[in-house]
Amino acid sequence: EDQVTQSPEALRLQEGESSSLNCSYTVSGLRGLFWYRQDPGKGPEFLFTLYSAGEEKEKERLKATLTKKESFLHITAPKPEDSATYLCAVQAIGGTYKYIFGTGTRLKVLA
Amino acid sequence: AAGVIQSPRHLIKEKRETATLKCYPIPRHDTVYWYQQGPGQDPQFLISFYEKMQSDKGSIPDRFSAQQFSDYHSELNMSSLELGDSALYFCASSAGTDVSYEQYFGPGTRLTVT
Repeated sequence: EDQVTQSPEALRLQEGESSSLNCSYTVSGLRGLFWYRQDPGKGPEFLFTLYSAGEEKEKERLKATLTKKESFLHITAPKPEDSATYLCAVQAIGGTYKYIFGTGTRLKVLA
Repeated sequence: AAGVIQSPRHLIKEKRETATLKCYPIPRHDTVYWYQQGPGQDPQFLISFYEKMQSDKGSIPDRFSAQQFSDYHSELNMSSLELGDSALYFCASSAGTDVSYEQYFGPGTRLTVT
């Protein structure tokens, strides 16, 4: 069964304290891995798509990387406005286009 | 830039009532997905449509049905509502079903069943 696990569940950082969020996945075949940011009561906001192992993408203080089993979202020198839940999702090969989400990492950045 | 529009944003219903949620995709997006997110949980896929045809089905109860119309908007119809149906319901749209077409999510409809 296709599965996505994110860790840690929650993370508190001081402003400027860099860290990484993990997304481990088990799928029969990976079509794509997606990172989203979700603020409370709002819809997920698209951040990155990764397709193959070794791929990296960056956007401001965020950098996403992908291996054959997991993805990391690196946050460099975070600011309080980076506080949110970060969701990882995968799309598996096999004729289905749905996203399978992990339970997310709740990030709190303290000023 | 235009985003996915969902209506209503909040809905309160009583048990055994019916509810209809609407989703208006980003212009020129032909694929719509519905997800249900319970409190503190990840979004769970319900159903999707591509070019007005059902393309995939997830954990959608038989009490729910959905369709996509000629203008590509979609409606999720929920009958015999139960307390457990209380959740955030998200609609997402994409420009196609290829993986290169990311899903863009709407703001959600918060359904409360009392």
